[in-house]
Amino acid sequence: EAGVAQSPRYKIIEKRQSVAFWCNPISGHATLYWYQQILGQGPKLLIQFQNNGVVDDSQLPKDRFSAERLKGVDSTLKIQPAKLEDSAVYLCATRSPTDTQYFGPGTRLTVL
Amino acid sequence: GQQLNQSPQSMFIQEGEDVSMNCTSSSIFNTWLWYKQDPGEGPVLLIALYKAGELTSNGRLTAQFGITRKDSFLNISASIPSDVGIYFCAGNSGTYKYIFGTGTRLKVLA
Repeated sequence: EAGVAQSPRYKIIEKRQSVAFWCNPISGHATLYWYQQILGQGPKLLIQFQNNGVVDDSQLPKDRFSAERLKGVDSTLKIQPAKLEDSAVYLCATRSPTDTQYFGPGTRLTVL
Repeated sequence: GQQLNQSPQSMFIQEGEDVSMNCTSSSIFNTWLWYKQDPGEGPVLLIALYKAGELTSNGRLTAQFGITRKDSFLNISASIPSDVGIYFCAGNSGTYKYIFGTGTRLKVLA
């Protein structure tokens, strides 16, 4: 079974620029998550989807972050405009029917 | 956001030693997951626990779901250098939302 795919793996941008991350979940996993992981900390949930609907986006900075999962499969996370404090690893994860969560390799974002 | 209390925060051990770490929560969980994260990579699932008292092994790793459903333990036996990394626990109270521990940084001295 293929794992969670993410791209790009690395991205360097300047502050105030825009950036987008892509996630392809494990086939059949209806629940998809985007996390932000600051160096030295555990993952922090940004948004949770159930199929193509948002379940929880309470910690998503909506003035600059947006996410979508239009067809209930792939998902994109966008930051516009980026700030220095957005430098982090952005992790996509999906939940199996047996209540197990699997992570992708992450996208490491550096904002200069 | 809410986080679990995970301890120890970091540890240095000699190769061959056993390692123990734990997570505690103020809330009851239905599921406990243990992950290992290497630098530059996403967390990799090690063990999943689904009911109170459950004891599950994966090679040299053993994890237990606490009877109170508010804690979990991970043990690594006979540690080797490749065990180095950050170990995270995560709990799910049934809302499909996982809460993560603060991580245990393990360093193994050869």
